[in-house]
Amino acid sequence: QKEVEQDPGPLSVPEGAIVSLNCTYSNSAFQYFMWYRQYSRKGPELLMYTYSSGNKEDGRFTAQVDKSSKYISLFIRDSQPSDSATYLCAPLYNFNKFYFGSGTKLNVKP
Amino acid sequence: DTGVSQNPRHKITKRGQNVTFRCDPISEHNRLYWYRQTLGQGPEFLTYFQNEAQLEKSRLLSDRFSAERPKGSFSTLEIQRTEQGDSAMYLCASSSTRGGTRGGEQFFGPGTRLTVL
Repeated sequence: QKEVEQDPGPLSVPEGAIVSLNCTYSNSAFQYFMWYRQYSRKGPELLMYTYSSGNKEDGRFTAQVDKSSKYISLFIRDSQPSDSATYLCAPLYNFNKFYFGSGTKLNVKP
Repeated sequence: DTGVSQNPRHKITKRGQNVTFRCDPISEHNRLYWYRQTLGQGPEFLTYFQNEAQLEKSRLLSDRFSAERPKGSFSTLEIQRTEQGDSAMYLCASSSTRGGTRGGEQFFGPGTRLTVL
């Protein structure tokens, strides 16, 4: 079983839509939950991260963690064409080793 | 400082040849990570350094792979006797454990794309 499962998409939405991106994980020891964005031919960049269960909001982005169901979500409000990228989740239990999901490719159409 | 840099950006080699990649992290960062990423997949952890010490290696890192960070600054990743299955993007990232960040925010370089013919 993979440490992290993520729907690869692609997910295509119209501009302004609310986007929901999701991951499931298997290791109950994970306590930090990161979301990275990767544009084509670029390295990933950290969007936001949360510790343990709960929600965290940063502008148009909201990260949500449900440790009881081992489910991680990233919501994007008022999606923009510039949000078109691959979104990677990365749960971890320490900062020594990162496990990345396979990524969900998002396309926001103008 | 303009971020993490990697050289070369692209490398094409023939099977059986050795290749070496270089990563220059953000100058004040004490942690440096190497990842491999294939098309449609997320980055796979290979190894990481804290200063010059290599603290963890993935089982993905076979004996043909070796990484160094001799002075705790730049790092090199060498692949000996390359195979077609080594074709991938090799990403480097750096982070700092100082100032209470615990190394959580990794800054990635643009990657080196390796093609083995």
